[in-house]
Formats: sequence, C-alpha cells, structure tokens
Amino acid sequence: KQEVTQIPAALSVPEGENLVLNCSFTDSAIYNLQWFRQDPGKGLTSLLLIQSSQREQTSGRLNASLDKSSGRSTLYIAASQPGDSATYLCATSNDYKLSFGAGTTVTVRA
Amino acid sequence: SAVISQKPSRDICQRGTSLTIQCQVDSQVTMMFWYRQQPGQSLTLIATANQGSEATYESGFVIDKFPISRPNLTFSTLTVSNMSPEDSSIYLCSAAGYTFGSGTRLTVV
Repeated sequence: KQEVTQIPAALSVPEGENLVLNCSFTDSAIYNLQWFRQDPGKGLTSLLLIQSSQREQTSGRLNASLDKSSGRSTLYIAASQPGDSATYLCATSNDYKLSFGAGTTVTVRA
Repeated sequence: SAVISQKPSRDICQRGTSLTIQCQVDSQVTMMFWYRQQPGQSLTLIATANQGSEATYESGFVIDKFPISRPNLTFSTLTVSNMSPEDSSIYLCSAAGYTFGSGTRLTVV
C-alpha cells in the first residue's frame, strides 16, 4: 500500500520568502504525482501534475520536481504572497486512484 | 478540464439517519471517485464508480454503509447510511482523478 508523507505539517513565512514543501512516497511504481491546493470550503485545485517519466513541471511561480528512484517530490513556490496561504497536498496516482499525503498548511504573513 | 458541482456543501445530521451527496460533472467521464477526509487527516479513497457497473470499494468501506449510484456518465451519488458521529468528515467526489468537487462537510450529532 502506498504511503505518502508530507513535511513539514505547517509552515509560516513572511511575504516574499520562497516556500519549499516536501513529499515522500514508499512505492515508486506510480503513473504520476500531483500537487493540489485545498482552500476551506472550496475543495481541491490541481496545481501541477508530473508524469512518471518527467522530472519536473513549472507553472508561473510554482515548480515541482520528481525523483521516483528516491520516492520524493518537492514543490517550490517563489516569492510567496498572502494569497498562497492554503493547505498543499501531494498525491501519487495509480490507475487514476490517488494516494494523498496529510498536507502542509502554509501561512504567508503580510 | 471538467467542472464538478457537488451538493450539499455542508449538513448537520442526526445519528441514525442517512445523507445523499450528489456530484454533477459538466462533461462525460468514465471514472468517478469518492473520497473521505476525516478531521485533521488526509483524503482516503472510499470507492470507484463506473457507469453501468457496481462501485468498487476500498478496504474498510462497504456498500451497505456507503451505497453509490452512477446512472450516467455525468452524475453520481454517495449515500452515508445509518450515520454516527464518527462519520463526521468532508466527502469529495472526483472525476478521472484530476478534478474535484468542492466537498460536503458533514457533521453528525
């Protein structure tokens, strides 16, 4: 059974600082890995999807890397803003079924 | 990508009763999924719902407790039956593993 771990569980940074969120998983036989953002009352929003054959994906200020061999992914958010405050979840996919980590709750202080 | 409308967004229910959660997708999707997020925990897959066949349940979840319907390629329901306070969670549906509904926050008293 896939186990997904996210460290740290919570993070508080001043505005403008870069964010580094870590995700590790036990089973490297994945189809892809996704990073989601969860806002209260608004469900999940997919931020980045990295296929198993890829090593990274970028979207604006967000960059995610994937190292399947070591079972790790990292989400970088550059120049954080208060609007980035949310819970960030990583999830591995096997046949469309997702295994989620517990999330990292980020607070960006103005 | 597909957009999912999920309702209700929240409900407070008496123990022993049942609640049905609905998800409507704006396009046809083959696979839909139902997840549960218990307080302070991550999302756990309840079942996979394919149109025209019975739902496939994950370990620890049974059809009598969480019956699912999938009458067509754009709609699915999850019922939480004979509720107890331990069922208080956020329930989310997903289409094809990429798009999620906004969630149903259920409180059982």
